[in-house]
Amino acid sequence: DTEVTQTPKHLVMGMTNKKSLKCEQHMGHRAMYWYKQKAKKPPELMFVYSYEKLSINESVPSRFSPECPNSSLLNLHLHALQPEDSALYLCASSHRYPGASGTGELFFGEGSRLTVL
Amino acid sequence: KNQVEQSPQSLIILEGKNCTLQCNYTVSPFSNLRWYKQDTGRGPVSLTIMTFSENTKSNGRYTATLDADTKQSSLHITASQLSDSASYICVVSASGNEKLTFGTGTRLTIIP
Repeated sequence: DTEVTQTPKHLVMGMTNKKSLKCEQHMGHRAMYWYKQKAKKPPELMFVYSYEKLSINESVPSRFSPECPNSSLLNLHLHALQPEDSALYLCASSHRYPGASGTGELFFGEGSRLTVL
Repeated sequence: KNQVEQSPQSLIILEGKNCTLQCNYTVSPFSNLRWYKQDTGRGPVSLTIMTFSENTKSNGRYTATLDADTKQSSLHITASQLSDSASYICVVSASGNEKLTFGTGTRLTIIP
């Protein structure tokens, strides 16, 4: 099983709503990532979890709140978002860091398309 | 500052033709370089990963090259198919780093 599964595939929410994006992998990977991707732009790193601990937060606004309940699951809680937060949110996982010895191949999910009205 | 630049920005070719996409990087210290294929609205899929010691790697009709001296990589697609229409992203990682540096991608369109 080399899949990273993201739900929901599409989400439309108002600026006062609270919603969550979910990501799951069963490859035994210990690093998990959230990326944000705007149209025609490369993915931008938001958060990295390593061994279920937050290791990188790329100065993401507090209206995005990540959570890693266990080694297979990664959530992104959304609250009071702005229309400019509309984007494709990608989850990824890897056995080791991309720059660690070995290649640390990153496996991406299909993404969650978020629209904030 | 670590940077990855790709060219061309976009490319249109006829089905069955070959093409080559370019990637220049200034990531240091270099660990590895990856090429991803991303269909519109979907997650990137890895095509190849190359470390410092590898200068060519193939995955079916995709062949990537790496020149670590000039810090350049290319992705060659042979006998293109309509399903090759996608964005191709060059991504470089630095040693000991959790982060990847992404290029802005080349948007490839194959026409029948």
